Amino acid sequence: DQQVKQNSPSLSVQEGRISILNCDYTNSMFDYFLWYKKYPAEGPTFLISISSIKDKNEDGRFTVFLNKSAKHLSLHIVPSQPGDSAVYFCAAGGATNKLIFGTGTLLAVQP
Amino acid sequence: EPEVTQTPSHQVTQMGQEVILRCVPISNHLYFYWYRQILGQKVEFLVSFYNNEISEKSEIFDDQFSVERPDGSNFTLKIRSTKLEDSAMYFCASSAMDRGTGELFFGEGSRLTVL
Repeated sequence: DQQVKQNSPSLSVQEGRISILNCDYTNSMFDYFLWYKKYPAEGPTFLISISSIKDKNEDGRFTVFLNKSAKHLSLHIVPSQPGDSAVYFCAAGGATNKLIFGTGTLLAVQP
Repeated sequence: EPEVTQTPSHQVTQMGQEVILRCVPISNHLYFYWYRQILGQKVEFLVSFYNNEISEKSEIFDDQFSVERPDGSNFTLKIRSTKLEDSAMYFCASSAMDRGTGELFFGEGSRLTVL
């Protein structure tokens, strides 16, 4: 069951530059998409979400873009900071909070 | 800031033993969830719980699993007879609503190791 896929297991970015994390999905019935951030030995922390009827949502340094025709979403972090280093999970949901998670992308922001 | 708390943080058990993982959700939340993450794999939904009954469960949540809200604050996951493949990090989560946001508040997880 690969309904939500993150094809890049890791990403390394210089501090101050843009981080772009990508996610693809197969189920066109998802109502919303989310990004969660996870530090080691902690639970996932909600970062930002987007409804399926929107194509962009912005919250401070974080912007999520949704391309429904391509079934693709991305998270942009600008500017990247060392404290952003974590695993980022893309997730999708429908009528309930039963979320389908991707496998995660480990972001390393180099000082 | 309110948070979801889980105990124990790590439990080691022998195959076939019963395990109970405990969670205290955020106090004004009404929807409760268990997710798990096997090492190196994705976070997977197990079960959702509302109004003292299961709302939804995944195919992973078979008869060996059960959930309960024994009092007004705790939410527990019981695995009746653990198997090696139950070894995972188990995350409890809660939310104020069950639709439309996906904004779940997760606990720090309980690592279960089955030997």
